[in-house]
Amino acid sequence: EIVLTQSPGTLSLSPGERATLSCRASQSFSSNYLAWYQQKPGQAPRLLIYGAFTRATGVPDRFSGSGSGTDFTLTISRLEPEDFAVYYCQQYGSSQWTFGQGTKVEIK
Amino acid sequence: EVQLVQSGAEVKKPGESLRISCQGSGYGFTYYWINWVRQMPGKGLEWMGRIDPRDSYTNYSPSFQGHVTISADKSITTAYLQWSSLKASDSAMYFCARQVGGHGMDVWGQGTTVTVSS
Repeated sequence: EIVLTQSPGTLSLSPGERATLSCRASQSFSSNYLAWYQQKPGQAPRLLIYGAFTRATGVPDRFSGSGSGTDFTLTISRLEPEDFAVYYCQQYGSSQWTFGQGTKVEIK
Repeated sequence: EVQLVQSGAEVKKPGESLRISCQGSGYGFTYYWINWVRQMPGKGLEWMGRIDPRDSYTNYSPSFQGHVTISADKSITTAYLQWSSLKASDSAMYFCARQVGGHGMDVWGQGTTVTVSS
């Protein structure tokens, strides 16, 4: 099973700042099948990025994904108040899919 | 409107059985896998497994294999997650989500809370 390790665990930033979230895999997987999700309290997760860098429908362009192999990054160029949430990466390039443990982006 | 609608909250006793559901609408149900994801209180997301509604082929996480059963009835565009004998540790929120091809899980149900307590 592929283990995804996200860092940092918590990111304390102010609105307007840039957020950089990391997701490292224990081994590489097919086709960069890496997704990022946003989850707010009491809500279902929301797909932001799939295929490592493709934004899902309706996702603002301040969200971008990058990386390949075993190292992936989600960048939020300028934090808006609604972006403070927990973010998860997920790989779906092996037969056993897995999520990272999450990064909480909180208001500083 | 594309949506997945899950069944309501459940309160059960240890040892009881349970089946929760996830009904898809607004899209071709058999064109998308249905996944189940667990979220224990205050914790992260855990992928449990998925089903292809066309032929009911399933794929489970090793952590959940043998503990739950995923099934689907394409005639009523509904997927299920089932336990034969619940434990207190099964208390969690359970989400269903659809997925196809190289895309991520793009539509999610609202979640079903399962509470197992004596």
